[in-house]
Amino acid sequence: AQSVTQLGSHVSVSEGALVLLRCNYSSSVPPYLFWYVQYPNQGLQLLLKYTTGATLVKGINGFEAEFKKSETSFHLTKPSAHMSDAAEYFCASRYNTDKLIFGTGTRLQVFP
Amino acid sequence: GAVVSQHPSWVICKSGTSVKIECRSLDFQATTMFWYRQFPKQSLMLMATSNEGSKATYEQGVEKDKFLINHASLTLSTLTVTSAHPEDSSFYICSALGGDSYNSPLHFGNGTRLTVT
Repeated sequence: AQSVTQLGSHVSVSEGALVLLRCNYSSSVPPYLFWYVQYPNQGLQLLLKYTTGATLVKGINGFEAEFKKSETSFHLTKPSAHMSDAAEYFCASRYNTDKLIFGTGTRLQVFP
Repeated sequence: GAVVSQHPSWVICKSGTSVKIECRSLDFQATTMFWYRQFPKQSLMLMATSNEGSKATYEQGVEKDKFLINHASLTLSTLTVTSAHPEDSSFYICSALGGDSYNSPLHFGNGTRLTVT
């Protein structure tokens, strides 16, 4: 069965520091993978997605993620955190159906 | 870009009443829409898949008689919470599939916060 695991429900970084949010997927065939951001009381905004092709995917707001099949991972990174990056981040996968399966989410806090 | 409008953004209702939430795709047609429920500080749980002109497909454990879904047009899906109770209080989010293939983009509404008193 398809599933997505996000390690760490909370991540705290200082402004300007590297952001690393972890995501691992579980499926027999690599699915399409997504990262979404959610601000309080709002819906989800797509940061980036991996379908096929280049394994390093660049998204909005300076975020990027690398698909590593050997590690079944799709970690999200940003070189330098900004206060406005504080939000909830969800990794999600979709394979062979239209359903989007979400991870449990990681709350990113950014300290000045 | 594609916009999904969800209305209302928040609603407070009394226990036993019904509440309807609308999800509209404003500038594209969506044959498939999804309804999610999100509890505080938790992830999104898929409730049902809504297909235009046909019955919704509910996920295991979701009461179809309590959460009525109607997808009468290519731009509108509605979720009606019938005989609402306090435990139905949650954040409900819809999303619309912007295409016919499973790698088509998903566009999310801004959610509806339901509070049942």
